[in-house]
Amino acid sequence: DTGVSQNPRHKITKRGQNVTFRCDPISEHNRLYWYRQTLGQGPEFLTYFQNEAQLEKSRLLSDRFSAERPKGSFSTLEIQRTEQGDSAMYLCASSPWTGLPEAFFGQGTRLTVV
Amino acid sequence: QKEVEQNSGPLSVPEGAIASLNCTYSDRGSQSFFWYRQYSGKSPELIMSIYSNGDKEDGRFTAQLNKASQYVSLLIRDSQPSDSATYLCAVKILTNNNDMRFGAGTRLTVKP
Repeated sequence: DTGVSQNPRHKITKRGQNVTFRCDPISEHNRLYWYRQTLGQGPEFLTYFQNEAQLEKSRLLSDRFSAERPKGSFSTLEIQRTEQGDSAMYLCASSPWTGLPEAFFGQGTRLTVV
Repeated sequence: QKEVEQNSGPLSVPEGAIASLNCTYSDRGSQSFFWYRQYSGKSPELIMSIYSNGDKEDGRFTAQLNKASQYVSLLIRDSQPSDSATYLCAVKILTNNNDMRFGAGTRLTVKP
């Protein structure tokens, strides 16, 4: 296992289309986080899973955003009816439940809405 | 008040100097604190974690935590041009199911 994997790395979509991103966490990491980052800003929290349970969801997250982690392994983040303001880097991180709670990031998915 | 606050910088230091990066947090019950380094166009990379009051050293990096003051800092000794990056402070927020929140980051430039 080489780390957190995110796909695709880049996505260009037209406004109004739906997009889905995938995150494969480090094996045996049962905590998984999604963040959004725009230029010059820190990562903005979107949502957080512990195993398959979605424990926290940002109030800033509109109902166009949904995330799943059905089997407690990989996770998907879907954005419906994309808007230009959704253009950002979408980051996924995972951390273990036991031991040191250090989180490691994937390489991110850069979304451009045109 | 933001959950995690950092001076946005930019912070510029000469090569070989000590760079000092600061962070404050609002949740007094937080137990886990992290510093990430992020190069332009890349994802954040974990460089330090600290869980108890005091100093923790790892090579040229020292993290300092003061829970009473709700303050965490990162010192980089003998700064190198390759240390030029944005440094992100992250805190696991106890009141939010232990999810992790970030500051806006401090941009550091080390001048040769």
